[in-house]
Amino acid sequence: QVQLVESGGGLVKPGGSLRLSCAASGFTFRDYNMNWIRQTPGKGLEWVSFVSDGGDTIYYADSVKGRFTVSRDNAKNLLHLHMNSLRPEDTALYYCARGAGDIDYWGQGTQVTVSS
Amino acid sequence: EIVMTQSPATLSVSPGDGVTLSCRASEYVGSKLAWYQQKPGQAPRLLISDGSTRAAGIPARFSASGSGTEFTLTISSLESEDFAIYYCQHFNNWPLTFGGGTKVEIK
Repeated sequence: QVQLVESGGGLVKPGGSLRLSCAASGFTFRDYNMNWIRQTPGKGLEWVSFVSDGGDTIYYADSVKGRFTVSRDNAKNLLHLHMNSLRPEDTALYYCARGAGDIDYWGQGTQVTVSS
Repeated sequence: EIVMTQSPATLSVSPGDGVTLSCRASEYVGSKLAWYQQKPGQAPRLLISDGSTRAAGIPARFSASGSGTEFTLTISSLESEDFAIYYCQHFNNWPLTFGGGTKVEIK
């Protein structure tokens, strides 16, 4: 069955960096577009980034553009999100999610907390 | 970006009742609209895509309609496992955006 398992979250100070990873299994990872989506109690669900199946098309939300970088390793079935210059408003549960529009599978999320 | 507005914020209903949830897009999205269900401590689950197509394994009591800017999700007869938060999301262009959710709670 499809599994998406995120890791790499944690507590980081403002201005710091983190790298999130998502290990995919149960499907042919290289054939699917992927996303990062985050959720907070206050702002709800917010799409963060998209990467196409081959990695050649990438989009970012304006709120993270220039600070976050998405990448994928199709040989290892891994999706990454490199997060720099983190701000308190980046605090959220980050989901790895499969799809090019509608999202048909979600991971369980990894918590990122940005606080001094 | 397209703003998705859901109403009401909360619905208090009894098991067996039918409910209709609304979602409005600030701009035309055609049928590029999905609905998700989220229970506490879980990730969202895809219920409906392309405005009205049930995802795999979703019971027939869930139905949806609409196009353009106005959409609805109907649950014909609520079962205990249906009490949850429901989100709509457009995928007509980037960025993808979600509504604020409708919480369906037990009366």
